[in-house]
Amino acid sequence: GESVGLHLPTLSVQEGDNSIINCAYSNSASDYFIWYKQESGKGPQFIIDIRSNMDKRQGQRVTVLLNKTVKHLSLQIAATQPGDSAVYFCAENLGGYQKVTFGTGTKLQVIP
Amino acid sequence: GAVVSQHPSWVICKSGTSVKIECRSLDFQATTMFWYRQFPKQSLMLMATSNEGSKATYEQGVEKDKFLINHASLTLSTLTVTSAHPEDSSFYICSARGSRVGAADRNEQFFGPGTRLTVL
Repeated sequence: GESVGLHLPTLSVQEGDNSIINCAYSNSASDYFIWYKQESGKGPQFIIDIRSNMDKRQGQRVTVLLNKTVKHLSLQIAATQPGDSAVYFCAENLGGYQKVTFGTGTKLQVIP
Repeated sequence: GAVVSQHPSWVICKSGTSVKIECRSLDFQATTMFWYRQFPKQSLMLMATSNEGSKATYEQGVEKDKFLINHASLTLSTLTVTSAHPEDSSFYICSARGSRVGAADRNEQFFGPGTRLTVL
């Protein structure tokens, strides 16, 4: 099902530290997951994705972990920088050409 | 990556008027376009899905007669908010999906920059 965010949880992280943003998804049939970054007043920007046949995927400074047993997704950002400050959304997709459903979102604040 | 543009980036209109928002895929053919609405401090909510040349599929609770979607070509979709009211004020975001030479994953959606609508 879809989740609607009424309040954005906020994560405050010191510059240089690692950030971990968590997301719980609801549809066990989802087989494709994406993390997006959205800066204020802009559209979502693709960060990294992962398919359900994987449990970990790494990109540049980012790692996505998928735990299908508990339907949990996380985004790890290494050496967080001020430019990482944004709202991060996880999104799920049933696969094929299905629609993408967005999660609640987490606001990441990087403290210089 | 693929580029999706929206026009206008922001619009202010009077209550009762209609507003048209354009979404264009600039370097690929978008067989499917999606329209989302986002209220402040909330997530993106899918409004409708449109396939080129077909009628749009609206999500539950979205009035199709109020939010008119046209996807007449593989590079352009429009969303018209008819008889806009203050409660329609929101951030409208489109995304496009389609085949693209060199695309790593044809399932990837590319998002536009959004259009801020303010209805007075």
